[in-house]
Amino acid sequence: DTGVSQNPRHKITKRGQNVTFRCDPISEHNRLYWYRQTLGQGPEFLTYFQNEAQLEKSRLLSDRFSAERPKGSFSTLEIQRTEQGDSAMYLCASSFRTGGPGELFFGEGSRLTVL
Amino acid sequence: AQTVTQSQPEMSVQEAETVTLSCTYDTSESDYYLFWYKQPPSRQMILVIRQEAYKQQNATENRFSVNFQKAAKSFSLKISDSQLGDAAMYFCAANNAGNMLTFGGGTRLMVKP
Repeated sequence: DTGVSQNPRHKITKRGQNVTFRCDPISEHNRLYWYRQTLGQGPEFLTYFQNEAQLEKSRLLSDRFSAERPKGSFSTLEIQRTEQGDSAMYLCASSFRTGGPGELFFGEGSRLTVL
Repeated sequence: AQTVTQSQPEMSVQEAETVTLSCTYDTSESDYYLFWYKQPPSRQMILVIRQEAYKQQNATENRFSVNFQKAAKSFSLKISDSQLGDAAMYFCAANNAGNMLTFGGGTRLMVKP
């Protein structure tokens, strides 16, 4: 399968613990995005990378959240000191920049439940 | 800043019939793109159709077409000959010349056999 891969698919953690999600984009895609989706809502933008550079961050991305994309390949999203409000689906998407905003290819998401 | 609004939380259509999903948006940008994404249950989101705002002609992809009314900031999706596999959440989204997609709240489409 050459699509966007996210791991783990499900994570249950206790409040206060740290969690890390990984995203492997489509190999030739230079852009990588993280979104958060709560139940019954549309995805909300968190952050965006072009190659290894993090170019945009939403105000939703508090200091407890950090994202990296070393070497411009896979990306990790870490949430420190998790809170119950962090419970959501975390979606990763990738794209290849052409003449305009390209099609985003989404992974199946990583569902986080904070107890 | 952009906002995208989908006023229909749920829609239902009979198999083989036509259904229209509504979307309105607001943006201060002159150059932007509009999208409809489909999210089947427990599956990843996929692009259904895309419209560049500078193009007057409405986009069409097989059974899917849009009605783009730029002055009214309206971007509806028409699904013709609905199939059971069309049942999903549908999200309208907008993207300016930058890189952030803003999504609406979604419309759940049910297809009755």
